[in-house]
Amino acid sequence: DVKVTQSSRYLVKRTGEKVFLECVQDMDHENMFWYRQDPGLGLRLIYFSYDVKMKEKGDIPEGYSVSREKKERFSLILESASTNQTSMYLCATQTGLYSNQPQHFGDGTRLSIL
Amino acid sequence: DQQVKQNSPSLSVQEGRISILNCDYTNSMFDYFLWYKKYPAEGPTFLISISSIKDKNEDGRFTVFLNKSAKHLSLHIVPSQPGDSAVYFCAASAHGNKLVFGAGTILRVKS
Repeated sequence: DVKVTQSSRYLVKRTGEKVFLECVQDMDHENMFWYRQDPGLGLRLIYFSYDVKMKEKGDIPEGYSVSREKKERFSLILESASTNQTSMYLCATQTGLYSNQPQHFGDGTRLSIL
Repeated sequence: DQQVKQNSPSLSVQEGRISILNCDYTNSMFDYFLWYKKYPAEGPTFLISISSIKDKNEDGRFTVFLNKSAKHLSLHIVPSQPGDSAVYFCAASAHGNKLVFGAGTILRVKS
């Protein structure tokens, strides 16, 4: 079974703080993704990576950056947290580039920015 | 521009009956479609998928139907069980590219 682990289930931060969300996978998958889930909007892609040190912008990258220094770890960074970044953040992995394989998700981090 | 739409925010069904969840898409380049199920406080889990070369795919109680001319797909759950109560997301991709998700439908199965 694929295991995708997100470092925190719940996180509370203050506006202006730099926030790090970590995601680790144990299946040697090439592709990793960061989404945010908001009511009525579904899952929206923030950034994704298909290899170490590679990153691509998703649909809503503004205010975020990512880091992938090792294949198994993909970090999402909120450079200066704002209240509109309060959300559920989901990490996912997928094997193969441009493959029709399902993505596997972690359990999410519920982030509150006060 | 919502390329994948789930127009029903919620659906309530009696245990043992059929649940039908619907999804419409606008991008004719989509060639792969998936359904995910999500319980509260958990990540989405993959349920079933279908390629655009098929019009039906079945896995146990779950069947996905694809109508390409109408750009419509549906997920049928028969018979519905209380444990099926969750949020269901439809997703689509074009040529193995990134997934585009719908807004989700909350399914409640009443016992």
